[in-house]
Amino acid sequence: QKEVEQNSGPLSVPEGAIASLNCTYSDRGSQSFFWYRQYSGKSPELIMFIYSNGDKEDGRFTAQLNKASQYVSLLIRDSQPSDSATYLCAVKGSDGNEKLTFGTGTRLTIIP
Amino acid sequence: GAGVSQSPSNKVTEKGKDVELRCDPISGHTALYWYRQRLGQGLEFLIYFQGNSAPDKSGLPSDRFSAERTGESVSTLTIQRTQQEDSAVYLCASSFGVKETQYFGPGTRLLVL
Repeated sequence: QKEVEQNSGPLSVPEGAIASLNCTYSDRGSQSFFWYRQYSGKSPELIMFIYSNGDKEDGRFTAQLNKASQYVSLLIRDSQPSDSATYLCAVKGSDGNEKLTFGTGTRLTIIP
Repeated sequence: GAGVSQSPSNKVTEKGKDVELRCDPISGHTALYWYRQRLGQGLEFLIYFQGNSAPDKSGLPSDRFSAERTGESVSTLTIQRTQQEDSAVYLCASSFGVKETQYFGPGTRLLVL
């Protein structure tokens, strides 16, 4: 079982709709969760981070964390063509190790 | 201030040659991380530094890979006797401390022929 799993997509969403990206993780003690956006040929850039159960909103982005279900999601409201990218879920483990474990990413395409 | 910088941006080398990849972290960032990303894949952790020490080298794929950091600043990742499977984008990230958010550099695209 992979440590961090994401649906690779592609996920196609009409412009203006809500895009929902999902991620599950295997380390139940994980404390920190991150969403990075990566445009083709570019390096990842941080979109959101979340540490506590529940929702965290930042502009059009909402991160949702459910530690009991070992599930973290990213919602993008009012999707724009510029949101088309690969979204990487990353998790920091519980063993004191500071590395990030990444999922393979979900490729999102916003259709004008 | 300036972000994380990496050099070279692209490197083409022949199988068996050694390569050195450089990372300049954001000024004041004490933690530095190296990741590898193969084409179409997620990021694979290689090593991280807290200051000049490397508490976790578990991600280095083989003894052909080594890294060092000096002056709590620049880091170099060295790959000896490169193999074709080493072809990937090598990404460096830095953070204020190990519990802080990591910010990525633009990467070095390595192609081993």
